[in-house]
Amino acid sequence: DADVTQTPRNRITKTGKRIMLECSQTKGHDRMYWYRQDPGLGLRLIYYSFDVKDINKGEISDGYSVSRQAQAKFSLSLESAIPNQTALYFCATSERRDTQYFGPGTRLTVL
Amino acid sequence: DQQVKQNSPSLSVQEGRISILNCDYTNSMFDYFLWYKKYPAEGPTFLISISSIKDKNEDGRFTVFLNKSAKHLSLHIVPSQPGDSAVYFCAASAGGSYIPTFGRGTSLIVHP
Repeated sequence: DADVTQTPRNRITKTGKRIMLECSQTKGHDRMYWYRQDPGLGLRLIYYSFDVKDINKGEISDGYSVSRQAQAKFSLSLESAIPNQTALYFCATSERRDTQYFGPGTRLTVL
Repeated sequence: DQQVKQNSPSLSVQEGRISILNCDYTNSMFDYFLWYKKYPAEGPTFLISISSIKDKNEDGRFTVFLNKSAKHLSLHIVPSQPGDSAVYFCAASAGGSYIPTFGRGTSLIVHP
């Protein structure tokens, strides 16, 4: 079984809809992250959490919110989706500085 | 302003030859550097890292070189194999931070 899972893997939604992307991990890591990947722009950090009570904004947090329900679960929400939020979204975890473990990604399309 | 730059969006190499992927950074506080590899429809996976106290780190066919004075690092793959075809991301973090800054990636194609 995968250590970091993301649901859904693909999602098409309409402008203005609320959508939640979920991430679960079995690695026992305290630190979890949400990234967005756009063609030619690399990975940009949206939010990160160092433990259940810790939530921090990343480089591009506007239009997004997160919830850390447990050590193993970190959800990303788009309160009112817009087309320029169409992207590939990755969840990641880490324990130490040297390695992040990424989920398989969620491809989100906002029409 | 990009703090981590991968100026070559793509690189094409013949199987068996050396692949050299380059990365430049601007933040002098960065002291830990990582390379990740990403295949289509998968998440990035950690490949190799280097601390600023070193100038070279090897792991099998993969070697990362760090030139602190030039704020430059490179990933060498020798010999290159078709299975190495992927997007490679360079990342860097500053002392005590667990938050890496990623470059935009270089797409490597290794031709049989």
